[in-house]
Amino acid sequence: NAGVTQTPKFRVLKTGQSMTLLCAQDMNHEYMYWYRQDPGMGLRLIHYSVGEGTTAKGEVPDGYNVSRLKKQNFLLGLESAAPSQTSVYFCASSYSELVSTDTQYFGPGTRLTVL
Amino acid sequence: SQKIEQNSEALNIQEGKTATLTCNYTNYSPAYLQWYRQDPGRGPVFLLLIRENEKEKRKERLKVTFDTTLKQSLFHITASQPADSATYLCALRNKFYFGSGTKLNVKP
Repeated sequence: NAGVTQTPKFRVLKTGQSMTLLCAQDMNHEYMYWYRQDPGMGLRLIHYSVGEGTTAKGEVPDGYNVSRLKKQNFLLGLESAAPSQTSVYFCASSYSELVSTDTQYFGPGTRLTVL
Repeated sequence: SQKIEQNSEALNIQEGKTATLTCNYTNYSPAYLQWYRQDPGRGPVFLLLIRENEKEKRKERLKVTFDTTLKQSLFHITASQPADSATYLCALRNKFYFGSGTKLNVKP
C-alpha cells in the first residue's frame, strides 16, 4: 500500500495564478483532510470530507476550494494564489472519527511558494 | 477560541535520559488526545491516543498522561536515543486542533 500520496511535492506560483493539489489514499478511508503548516502555527485544518461527495470547512477555509468526487481522492484548489498561501500543505485520511479508528495518516506534504 | 500550547523552544537532552514534553489546552474539553511525531520534510506519524477517562497510556518507551483538571498532557520518552530526535505534536480530536509541536534533540 502506498498510503497517502500528494502531488506535486513542490510548486512555485505567481500571485493570481491557480493550481490544484491532489491527494490520493489507498486505504479505503472515509475521512480526508487538508491542513496547512506554517512555522510556529502548527497544523491548521483547511477543509475536510467525511465521505465521497461531501466537503466541510475547517479553521482556515478562505481562498481554498475542495472536491471529493471519488472516495480515494481529495483535491485542494487555489483559484487566485496569494503570498499568504505560501505554506506546506498536508493531506491526511482516517477510517472514521470514532476514537478507536481515528488515527490520521498523513501524506508527505506539498511545499507551495507564492511570489 | 481554542488554544493549544506546546513549548516552542527545543528540548535538548542527553541520550539515555527521559524526555518530557508538555501539551496544554484551554477553552475545550476533548474526549481524547493524540500525540504525533514529525520528522523534517515529512508528514506527522501517529504515536499514541489517550482518552479523557484514562490517566496514563504506555507503548514501549513512550508514556502519555492526561490530566483533564489541569488541561494538560505530558509525553515521556524513557531511555531516549538520538533516533528519537524529531518534532512531537499533540492533537485535540473532535475539533481537529494540533499544537505547533516541540522539537526534541537527543544528543549522544
